[in-house]
Amino acid sequence: AQSVAQPEDQVNVAEGNPLTVKCTYSVSGNPYLFWYVQYPNRGLQFLLKYITGDNLVKGSYGFEAEFNKSQTSFHLKKPSALVSDSALYFCAVSLWDTDKLIFGTGTRLQVFP
Amino acid sequence: EAGVTQSPTHLIKTRGQQVTLRCSPISGHTSVYWYQQALGLGLQFLLWYDEGEERNRGNFPPRFSGRQFPNYSSELNVNALELEDSALYLCASRGDRGRNSPLHFGNGTRLTVT
Repeated sequence: AQSVAQPEDQVNVAEGNPLTVKCTYSVSGNPYLFWYVQYPNRGLQFLLKYITGDNLVKGSYGFEAEFNKSQTSFHLKKPSALVSDSALYFCAVSLWDTDKLIFGTGTRLQVFP
Repeated sequence: EAGVTQSPTHLIKTRGQQVTLRCSPISGHTSVYWYQQALGLGLQFLLWYDEGEERNRGNFPPRFSGRQFPNYSSELNVNALELEDSALYLCASRGDRGRNSPLHFGNGTRLTVT
């Protein structure tokens, strides 16, 4: 079955420290991978995507993600966390046979001052 | 450029009632997606419309239905509401048909069923 997993329900990090939010996937064919962020009582905002090419993808608000085909992972990273980064983060994969996105269950990022 | 707009923002209904949620995509976007975000369950795919046709449907009962209008706006209808239908319903649109294009989400409609 095609799926995407976010193994951590919550990630806590101190402001100024690097952060990583993990995502692994299981899909047929080449994956198209996305990260979204959701602030309270809002919809999801697109952060970045991996389609092909360079394994390190840069996105909005200083976030980046590293695609690792051998480990089937697409972890979200930021070198220096901000308190304002505190939100719910979703990894998603676009299936090869439809145009729909399948989302992970989300990881709540809490950045402490 | 206006984003995806959804109405209403909040809704309270009683079990057994029917509800209609509305979505206007970004101008020029022809694909509309509906997702349900229930507490603790992440985002569950409901429906996908493109060019006025239903293209795909998630694992939801038939009392969840919808349609897309000629102007590409969309409605989601839920009949015979149940308590577990309480959730945030998110609409998203996509400009280019193809799986490499991101979805753009509205802020959602918060449905509470009592």
